[in-house]
Amino acid sequence: AQKVTQAQTEISVVEKEDVTLDCVYETRDTTYYLFWYKQPPSGELVFLIRRNSFDEQNEISGRYSWNFQKSTSSFNFTITASQVVDSAVYFCALSEAGSARQLTFGSGTQLTVLP
Amino acid sequence: EAGVTQFPSHSVIEKGQTVTLRCDPISGHDNLYWYRRVMGKEIKFLLHFVKESKQDESGMPNNRFLAERTGGTYSTLKVQPAELEDSGVYFCASSQETSGRETQYFGPGTRLLVL
Repeated sequence: AQKVTQAQTEISVVEKEDVTLDCVYETRDTTYYLFWYKQPPSGELVFLIRRNSFDEQNEISGRYSWNFQKSTSSFNFTITASQVVDSAVYFCALSEAGSARQLTFGSGTQLTVLP
Repeated sequence: EAGVTQFPSHSVIEKGQTVTLRCDPISGHDNLYWYRRVMGKEIKFLLHFVKESKQDESGMPNNRFLAERTGGTYSTLKVQPAELEDSGVYFCASSQETSGRETQYFGPGTRLLVL
């Protein structure tokens, strides 16, 4: 069975600090997909990134970067120079390549960026 | 291009009543998913449609929940009769790809409160 763990329930930082959100996953499949979604106060889930299991290259998009390490089953998300608008709940999720393609979510990390 | 839309945004009903939630996926997306997040817990998968067919309904909690997707366009999720533990946020997501390499795009959710 697949599982996603986000051990950090809440994180609070001051604006311009860097912050890393942890995500650890479990799966028996060799082919799988990892995701990060952002849920701002307005409530919708906003897609941020998808990473395939066979591509371990790290990715950077502006102030966001993702570190995928299969050796530790982790897919961590770093926000550089955080801003107040980054305040949200962030969810890590996993799906497998077979017929059951639903997402398995972690419990989410509430990030608060203080001015 | 319009995103996934859900109606209503909020619903407050009494125990024993019936509620119907609607989801309109992104145009052209064959895959439609329902998820829900009950208070303080993870976002959990309910079911998956491919066009008008139920591909996977392993996450449906019990027979009080009925999902339909007539004509393979919009979907409805009916809860009848509603119980207190059904309170939570119901999310709908859609995707275009037919393989596991898909990205699910979420709607804003329907917040259901059963009193």
